[in-house]
Amino acid sequence: SYVLTQTPSVSVAPGQTARISCGGNNIGSTVVHWYQQKPGQAPVLVVYDDYDRPSGIPERFSGSNSGNTATLTISRVEAGDEADYYCQVWDSSSDHQVFGTGTKVTVL
Amino acid sequence: QVTLKESGPALVKPTQTLTLTCTFSGFSLSTRGMRVSWIRQPPGKALEWLGRIDWDDDKYYTTSLKTRLSISKDTSKNQVVLTMTKMDPVDTATYYCARLGGLTTEVRRDDAFDLWGPGTFVTVSS
Repeated sequence: SYVLTQTPSVSVAPGQTARISCGGNNIGSTVVHWYQQKPGQAPVLVVYDDYDRPSGIPERFSGSNSGNTATLTISRVEAGDEADYYCQVWDSSSDHQVFGTGTKVTVL
Repeated sequence: QVTLKESGPALVKPTQTLTLTCTFSGFSLSTRGMRVSWIRQPPGKALEWLGRIDWDDDKYYTTSLKTRLSISKDTSKNQVVLTMTKMDPVDTATYYCARLGGLTTEVRRDDAFDLWGPGTFVTVSS
C-alpha cells in the first residue's frame, strides 16, 4: 500500500513561515490534500488539489507538489495555526484513500 | 447546510461488534460522485482511513481490517453504517465519517474530504 511520511514536528515563531513536508513515491504524479486538526476537533480541509484553498481558508496557507515531496506552507504564522497537519492522497492502485503520518506544528 | 454526525455506543466490550451510524444532511448519497468514508484516530495517533461507500454502492476497505469491516448505506434515511467485528482494546479511537465528492460537480476518484463529522469516541474495554 502507498505510504505517506511526514516530519513529526515543526516549530516556528509567530510571523515566520512553516513548511510541512509529505513524502511519497512519485507523489508529484497525484494530487495532495491537506487537513488541519486542532486538539479535540475534527480535521478541516485547508488545501486541496495540491494548492487550492476552500472558501474561508486564509491565503497564508499554500501548497506545492513535485517529485517525491508535497509541501504545505503557512506564511506569517499565527498562534491559532498551532495544530496537527495531515496530507492525504488517493491510491489509484487500490482505490483507497491514504493519510500521512501527521505533523505537529508548534508556534513558539 | 451540509452536515455529518456520527452516533453509536461509547463503550464496547472486547470481541463484541461495533455499529456506528453516520447521519448526514444537505446532500444525497445517490448523487453520482458522492461518497462517504469512515476514518478513525486512536488517542494521540494519526488518522487511519477505514473504508468508503460510493453513490453506486461500491465499497472499499483498508486491507488490514477488511475481514472485520462492513459499510452500508440507507439513502432514504441519509445514513451510512459502519460495522466492525471482533473489537479489541487497540480499536479504541475517535471514529469520523467524512464526505468525498462535494468540492466539484466533476466525478473524481482523487478528491478531498471537504466535510467531516465531529467524531465519536469509542472505548473498547471489559
